Amino acid sequence: EAAVTQSPRNKVTVTGGNVTLSCRQTNSHNYMYWYRQDTGHGLRLIHYSYGAGNLQIGDVPDGYKATRTTQEDFFLLLELASPSQTSLYFCASRTGRSTEVFFGKGTRLTVV
Amino acid sequence: GEQVEQRPPHLSVREGDSAFITCTYTDPNSYYFFWYKQEPGASLQLLMKVFSSTEINEGQGFTVLLNKKDKRLSLNLTAAHPGDSAAYFCAVTASSGSWQLIFGSGTQLTVMP
Repeated sequence: EAAVTQSPRNKVTVTGGNVTLSCRQTNSHNYMYWYRQDTGHGLRLIHYSYGAGNLQIGDVPDGYKATRTTQEDFFLLLELASPSQTSLYFCASRTGRSTEVFFGKGTRLTVV
Repeated sequence: GEQVEQRPPHLSVREGDSAFITCTYTDPNSYYFFWYKQEPGASLQLLMKVFSSTEINEGQGFTVLLNKKDKRLSLNLTAAHPGDSAAYFCAVTASSGSWQLIFGSGTQLTVMP
């Protein structure tokens, strides 16, 4: 079973704070994704990547940066956190040959 | 771009009854379709994936229907039990080369004993 590990699992920060969410997959998957989940919206794509050094903009990218440092690691950066970014964040990955997407357990971020 | 509408947002049924959830999508070229289950505090678990060439898929205790003409994807949980209580999400792949998953807004299902 493919594994996607997110850290931290919970994070509280203040408005204007700097936050980094981490995601690691050890499945040699090419594609990695960051989603946010909010009530009434399902999951919305923030950023995604085809591989190390590659970054693509998703549907709700404003206020977020991302970096794919290696095949395994994908980071989501909030440089000036705002209360509107309080959400549950999921990382996911998949190979280039499969349609199946594997999700991490999520990071709950609260911006006060 | 692709838009996915899911109904109902909340659904409450008695144990043994059926629970029916529907998604409509806008892109006629969408090709892959998914149903996910999310239990409280947990990640998303893939229930089933279907392709545009299939119309009916049966799993353990549920049936997925795909109507390409109406651009409608449905999940029917037959004889629901309390363990089925969870949030359910449909997802559709965009037809563009980026292969993004576009999710419905979810259905919170409660199965009462």
